[in-house]
Amino acid sequence: QKEVEQDPGPLSVPEGAIVSLNCTYSNSAFQYFMWYRQYSRKGPELLMYTYSSGNKEDGRFTAQVDKSSKYISLFIRDSQPSDSATYLCAASSGAGSYQLTFGKGTKLSVIP
Amino acid sequence: DADVTQTPRNRITKTGKRIMLECSQTKGHDRMYWYRQDPGLGLRLIYYSFDVKDINKGEISDGYSVSRQAQAKFSLSLESAIPNQTALYFCATSDLRVSPSSYNEQFFGPGTRLTVL
Repeated sequence: QKEVEQDPGPLSVPEGAIVSLNCTYSNSAFQYFMWYRQYSRKGPELLMYTYSSGNKEDGRFTAQVDKSSKYISLFIRDSQPSDSATYLCAASSGAGSYQLTFGKGTKLSVIP
Repeated sequence: DADVTQTPRNRITKTGKRIMLECSQTKGHDRMYWYRQDPGLGLRLIYYSFDVKDINKGEISDGYSVSRQAQAKFSLSLESAIPNQTALYFCATSDLRVSPSSYNEQFFGPGTRLTVL
């Protein structure tokens, strides 16, 4: 079993919809949880990270971690066509840890 | 200018050929990484380096070798390429220094699309 599981989609939504992207993980040592965004033919770039359980908001994006259920979520409000990308969840046991465990990525398309 | 660059961006080669993928960075980071990305498998770590003299195997190092020529340069070699090494390859960097209140982000290059026929 992969330590971080993510439904690869693809997911297609109309512009303005609320998007929910989810991952589950199995390693209790994970403390940092990241969302990377990857546009076509580009490298992943960090969108947000969360330490331990809780929520973090940045504009239209909210990252949520529930350590009791080992569940990681990313919500996108008022989705835009420019949000169309692959979203990768990742987890790490420490802030400086070299080892990121990635999910497979979910491909999101926001249709105008 | 991009902070993390990779060359070539695309490469088609034949089984058995030796291939080198190169990565350069201007971020001044000590740590460098090589990943491969496959559909349905996500990103997997091949090798990582904490400095010029410290190189370590990652999750899937078999069939690959690396060279850290300088703090800013990290190369990945496929000594004898095989078709199941067809993938997207990414170089990444991160800072050695970690603030207790923040996460040590990895910065990725644009990737090399490698096809082995």
